[in-house]
Amino acid sequence: NAGVTQTPKFQVLKTGQSMTLQCAQDMNHNSMYWYRQDPGMGLRLIYYSASEGTTDKGEVPNGYNVSRLNKREFSLRLESAAPSQTSVYFCASSPSLNTGELFFGEGSRLTVL
Amino acid sequence: DQQVKQNSPSLSVQEGRISILNCDYTNSMFDYFLWYKKYPAEGPTFLISISSIKDKNEDGRFTVFLNKSAKHLSLHIVPSQPGDSAVYFCAASRGNNYGQNFVFGPGTRLSVLP
Repeated sequence: NAGVTQTPKFQVLKTGQSMTLQCAQDMNHNSMYWYRQDPGMGLRLIYYSASEGTTDKGEVPNGYNVSRLNKREFSLRLESAAPSQTSVYFCASSPSLNTGELFFGEGSRLTVL
Repeated sequence: DQQVKQNSPSLSVQEGRISILNCDYTNSMFDYFLWYKKYPAEGPTFLISISSIKDKNEDGRFTVFLNKSAKHLSLHIVPSQPGDSAVYFCAASRGNNYGQNFVFGPGTRLSVLP
């Protein structure tokens, strides 16, 4: 019972480099989400996918792109990383947008130098 | 301006006593509230929820109270156990599509001392 799996768990980038965070869930959930967590702040929604084939911006989408590859996978891409994107990133999923409870992955700690 | 506030960054409680974690919100449109628990190096896990039509919800040792007029909710843990030591996040949402509207507080770190 893996739940939500994120890779990589740790990454260090230089300013301007690109990378993709991968997320996969095995719970047959329709909705998936990417959040970031910064010190002293709550989790903030970057992008979400209500269902396979759809993606929408959340609260802080600038500098990111996403792809809902299939029902299981939802990736987050940083095209040109900036130090302000240093954060812990969490992927989450839920059966649908209106079921409330979110299931989170373990997080990916990204440092941009 | 934070819509969901947890004004106590940390809380220490003796094992066996009650832990009370507080959360305040500013948006009166919020109608669904959750608490998540997070251990180090793990993702948040769902603990308990409450909708605005209730003022209390109980699940074992955990009880959430909602005071809509004060825009305040609290999580009570009785009795507290060392395994409860974690960061607790309050989250609020509104409307039917909760998933896209969740607003999280900054968290309170609970330490339960043996």
